[in-house]
Amino acid sequence: DAGITQSPRHKVTETGTPVTLRCHQTENHRYMYWYRQDPGHGLRLIHYSYGVKDTDKGEVSDGYSVSRSKTEDFLLTLESATSSQTSVYFCAISESLDRDRGDTEAFFGQGTRLTVV
Amino acid sequence: GENVEQHPSTLSVQEGDSAVIKCTYSDSASNYFPWYKQELGKRPQLIIDIRSNVGEKKDQRIAVTLNKTAKHFSLHITETQPEDSAVYFCAASDGSYIPTFGRGTSLIVHP
Repeated sequence: DAGITQSPRHKVTETGTPVTLRCHQTENHRYMYWYRQDPGHGLRLIHYSYGVKDTDKGEVSDGYSVSRSKTEDFLLTLESATSSQTSVYFCAISESLDRDRGDTEAFFGQGTRLTVV
Repeated sequence: GENVEQHPSTLSVQEGDSAVIKCTYSDSASNYFPWYKQELGKRPQLIIDIRSNVGEKKDQRIAVTLNKTAKHFSLHITETQPEDSAVYFCAASDGSYIPTFGRGTSLIVHP
């Protein structure tokens, strides 16, 4: 398995509190992603990063921010958690195997189960 | 952006039967199509992938087909076994290295 670790693995927090999830990789992959997984919705992209300090929004970015100050770390922050953000969060990493072919394999972390009460 | 539709959402088969999961994509620039398997409580893991210059790829009991003209690709699992029970996700990448995922198919294989 690719060296990718998420922390914490489980968290329960109260509505309105800030929460930060961490993704750490030891693979020196260029791209890092945060997805959320909800029943019936599959994996939806929140934010992604294509390098240190280079990030962009995904399809469900409202209420989330990210930072990447080092290649190996990608942080996801919920500034003020809401019950709708209760979900399983997956970090993923990738780097094109061949830029000319434009493809990539994404490796996933173990996931973080976040409950907002 | 890319949009990936996946069907069916749930698939129930008897052990030994074949299972087929179908996906369509919208962006004609997409050129890489991976499939992921997610067992209960675990992370998604790549099981097979196909690139746009190939029409079919096989790996033991699983195969993927791609029809670029129709913009659809399918996962075929033959001789299904109980351990094949999982959620399967298709995805498409347009060269921007950001895969867009389908909503997933829950495959249940009954012994």
